[in-house]
Amino acid sequence: SQQGEEDPQALSIQEGENATMNCSYKTSINNLQWYRQNSGRGLVHLILIRSNEREKHSGRLRVTLDTSKKSSSLLITASRAADTASYFCATDNSNYQLIWGAGTKLIIKP
Amino acid sequence: EAQVTQNPRYLITVTGKKLTVTCSQNMNHEYMSWYRQDPGLGLRQIYYSMNVEVTDKGDVPEGYKVSRKEKRNFPLILESPSPNQTSLYFCASSPRGNSYEQYFGPGTRLTVT
Repeated sequence: SQQGEEDPQALSIQEGENATMNCSYKTSINNLQWYRQNSGRGLVHLILIRSNEREKHSGRLRVTLDTSKKSSSLLITASRAADTASYFCATDNSNYQLIWGAGTKLIIKP
Repeated sequence: EAQVTQNPRYLITVTGKKLTVTCSQNMNHEYMSWYRQDPGLGLRQIYYSMNVEVTDKGDVPEGYKVSRKEKRNFPLILESPSPNQTSLYFCASSPRGNSYEQYFGPGTRLTVT
């Protein structure tokens, strides 16, 4: 079952611009996580936000969570070429599983 | 270095030939899981394990087996691989479950002909 859905599916921006990706989910959650995946490689954890948190920062990353709308956004500020990757959100459910979206493919043009 | 290792990284095999993909973590994590990743489908969980000798099915367990005899190892077994199991496979671990950061292995690209 696919709970998280990222939007947009693909995003192409100029280096230095900000990138925003969104994630929507269907059922109540305990937390929501964002991961990055460089082409064909293992996923790397970026940030975890719990259901009682509304915003979290980590370096150039800002994540918001709106549980009333069942959605989250990931903002990457001052993008760099190295940010080119696919970004996934993952939500937990009551059965000790993480449910993943299909991802947003981000391309940073030099 | 804290890491999750998988072997092999690439494998091409034929239908019906049993294979095992190994996964090992050196972080003393209790929770381990296997995913497959297919284009446009994101990650789908195959099996997970909350601790030694405790395993449970994920979303797509058909055609796969796992075992957790030791805390550090969580092999994925395909008894009779079929072409629809051609995919990119990831092993992951975390301290106690899905409410924690997941550490992923580098992936195993499997092709079944």
